This record gives sequence, structure tokens and C-alpha cells, in this order.
Amino acid sequence: EAGVTQSPTHLIKTRGQQATLRCSPISGHTSVYWYQQALGLGLQFLLWYDEGEERNRGNFPPRFSGRQFPNYSSELNVNALELEDSALYLCASSPRLTENYGYTFGSGTRLTVV
Amino acid sequence: RKEVEQDPGPFNVPEGATVAFNCTYSNSASQSFFWYRQDCRKEPKLLMSVYSSGNEDGRFTAQLNRASQYISLLIRDSKLSDSATYLCVVPRPNYGQNFVFGPGTRLSVLP
Repeated sequence: EAGVTQSPTHLIKTRGQQATLRCSPISGHTSVYWYQQALGLGLQFLLWYDEGEERNRGNFPPRFSGRQFPNYSSELNVNALELEDSALYLCASSPRLTENYGYTFGSGTRLTVV
Repeated sequence: RKEVEQDPGPFNVPEGATVAFNCTYSNSASQSFFWYRQDCRKEPKLLMSVYSSGNEDGRFTAQLNRASQYISLLIRDSKLSDSATYLCVVPRPNYGQNFVFGPGTRLSVLP
């Protein structure tokens, strides 16, 4: 069974540009979660999508947005990039509407803003 | 009170030692809890689930105390490969499926 896949692995952008990160969940998983992890810090919750809808959003500015497609894959967009957006962006998936199942994470996209 | 708090660490222990980490949570309605391990610059990986009073898997034992709202992770006979950051995970209030990750406790097992 294929795990959660994220692309690209690494991304280098200039301040002010836009970044698009992609995630494909495990087959059969309908929920996708995005987390940001800056170097040396903990995981900060960004967004949760399920069945194509945004279910919850973390304490991030509106320039962080995303969507989920009919095949349950997801995209995270970060507009007007700032230097402090440099971080590891992790995507996770889980089956729908169950808290008894932990997340499975992808290996992440490392975004560097210069 | 923060949603999830963990022992700040780091814990530096010799091989073969027994080490325990604690985690406290604020959402009294939480039903499911997890421990993840994260190696440096890698993604977190699920280590153990804790649904009832506890769970044991080989050298690892997780215990849950609902009355006091804390979870513990015990590692026996520590191996060098156990060196990692251990993350305590609890459900977010009103969003049971949406989890909150603790800040992590770093463990270094020394030869």
C-alpha cells in the first residue's frame, strides 16, 4: 500500500512569490491535514480537509490556503511568501470521522524562502 | 492551560536504562491518545495508540490516567536507535479527529 506522498521534496522561492505544495493521501483515506514545522520547533496545525471541504483551520494568516480535490488529494498554497515561512510542511491523512486512528504523515516538503 | 504539555527534556540516558516521559492535556473529553516518534528532519511516525488505561508493545509501555489527565511513555532497555523526539498527541476540543501535537521530548541514548 502506497503511503502519503508529497511533492516537491524541496522548494526554494523568493520572498513575495507563491508556493504550491501537493499531497496524495493513502488510498481510502478521505481526510488530509497540513502542518508546518519550523526548524527546531513543534508541529503547528494549518488546515484540515475532508470530503472536499475545509473542516478546521489553525491560527495562520489568510495567505495560507488550500483545497482538496475529488480524488482526495490536496494542495497547500502560500501567497506573498515571507522569510519566516521557511519550514518543513507535512501532510497527513486518516480515514474519515474517526479519532481512533492516528495520522500517517508524508515525508514533507521543505520550503526555503530567500 | 495549554492543550498539550510535555516534559521539556532533553533526556540523556545510557544504553539499557529505563526512561519515562510525561504528557498532560486539557481536554477532558479526549478519548484517543497517541505517541509519535520523530527523527531529526524526518516526518513523525506513529509509535503507540492509547485508548483505555494503557498499552504495551515490547519495550514500550504507554499509560493513561484520565482523572489526572496525563499520559506517560515508558521505554525499557533503551537502545541507541531509540534516540529521537517523542510527541504526545491528543484530540483537539470539539474536533475529535483533529489532533494537537505536543512540543515533544527529546531523548538521546548514549553508548
